[in-house]
Amino acid sequence: DGGITQSPKYLFRKEGQNVTLSCEQNLNHDAMYWYRQDPGQGLRLIYYSQIVNDFQKGDIAEGYSVSREKKESFPLTVTSAQKNPTAFYLCASSMQDRQQPQHFGDGTRLSIL
Amino acid sequence: GENVEQHPSTLSVQEGDSAVIKCTYSDSASNYFPWYKQELGKRPQLIIDIRSNVGEKKDQRIAVTLNKTAKHFSLHITETQPEDSAVYFCAAIGFQKLVFGTGTRLLVSP
Repeated sequence: DGGITQSPKYLFRKEGQNVTLSCEQNLNHDAMYWYRQDPGQGLRLIYYSQIVNDFQKGDIAEGYSVSREKKESFPLTVTSAQKNPTAFYLCASSMQDRQQPQHFGDGTRLSIL
Repeated sequence: GENVEQHPSTLSVQEGDSAVIKCTYSDSASNYFPWYKQELGKRPQLIIDIRSNVGEKKDQRIAVTLNKTAKHFSLHITETQPEDSAVYFCAAIGFQKLVFGTGTRLLVSP
């Protein structure tokens, strides 16, 4: 969906380095999400945020951190504590209503140098 | 919490055949069930969704059925075409978040 922008498209991380993935949306959505997708696998939830200045851990939060200082932005930091960060990272957003779909960005592919 | 199981993991059909993908969920309070299509290296895209107040929804060649009593829902694609080849994910709304199935790789052969 054109309303969610993820950058960069490709990212390389060195040992011991933290990297930050950007996610911006102009859909006026309250909720935002980060998912990790490994080759041939489904989507696993890392973190989600229902409202500005609040976020919750998902199923695989270890080694990741997020912030939600603005409604439009939900950056994800992959820390050096995440020992296997190579994956496809997807950001999504939705209305607060539980019966509304999530809309996804184009993803960031993170690899280790 | 919510748990979603999806079957089959791989499905191969001939062009023009029908394809059916099935999902079960565990939380009886779940009331929203979207289906996403993901092409290789691309974002998942919503193709159809159903809310718990209806049992079936159709959009051209795609339909979804929901059985709340049995806690399962299915995606039906009729007259399949090669461009239907992709990975399909079902999902169910749990507490505050969607829970996704593990995906079905559909291959439509000409």
